[in-house]
Amino acid sequence: GDSVTQMEGPVTLSEEAFLTINCTYTATGYPSLFWYVQYPGEGLQLLLKATKADDKGSNKGFEATYRKETTSFHLEKGSVQVSDSAVYFCALSSLDDMRFGAGTRLTVKP
Amino acid sequence: DSGVTQTPKHLITATGQRVTLRCSPRSGDLSVYWYQQSLDQGLQFLIQYYNGEERAKGNILERFSAQQFPDLHSELNLSSLELGDSALYFCASSVEGTIGSYEQYFGPGTRLTVT
Repeated sequence: GDSVTQMEGPVTLSEEAFLTINCTYTATGYPSLFWYVQYPGEGLQLLLKATKADDKGSNKGFEATYRKETTSFHLEKGSVQVSDSAVYFCALSSLDDMRFGAGTRLTVKP
Repeated sequence: DSGVTQTPKHLITATGQRVTLRCSPRSGDLSVYWYQQSLDQGLQFLIQYYNGEERAKGNILERFSAQQFPDLHSELNLSSLELGDSALYFCASSVEGTIGSYEQYFGPGTRLTVT
């Protein structure tokens, strides 16, 4: 079945550092891809999405590009802030299912 | 605040018992999704309802069931509870019914502890 594998954490960075969280997927069809963020004590929030190959999703300085040739959807941000500390989930959806990666905890230190 | 409400916030119960979790979607959203988040299995999609009808089924156990009522709120029923059912249960809602096509808004979750 479809699955998502993302970089294990935790990841600790200093403020203004560059962030990459790797995500690869396995899917039989043409899924949509997502990054969700979960702040402590809260539900998930959609960060960005891409629905077809070569699409780039972006939001709040975060970006990810849907790469069909490498089956990847890596999350990047050029300069992280303390407020970006959270757990990040890569996910894919097909017509009738949604699969999440294990989550990557990011801590940004001042 | 996503606009999705879930009750109760916390629930502690014993093995073998049955509980009901409740979710009210955002105003205007027709679709409701249920997810389970546990340390063992991560975040798993359980089931989706759209305008009162079951639309998609994920990794939902036979001991679990859900329904969506005419006012669009949804309930997740968990029965014959086991220790391994201890988890955070999230509800999400979206405007339409195709998973992934429309943004899902997540509630704050219900933390279930089975002792």
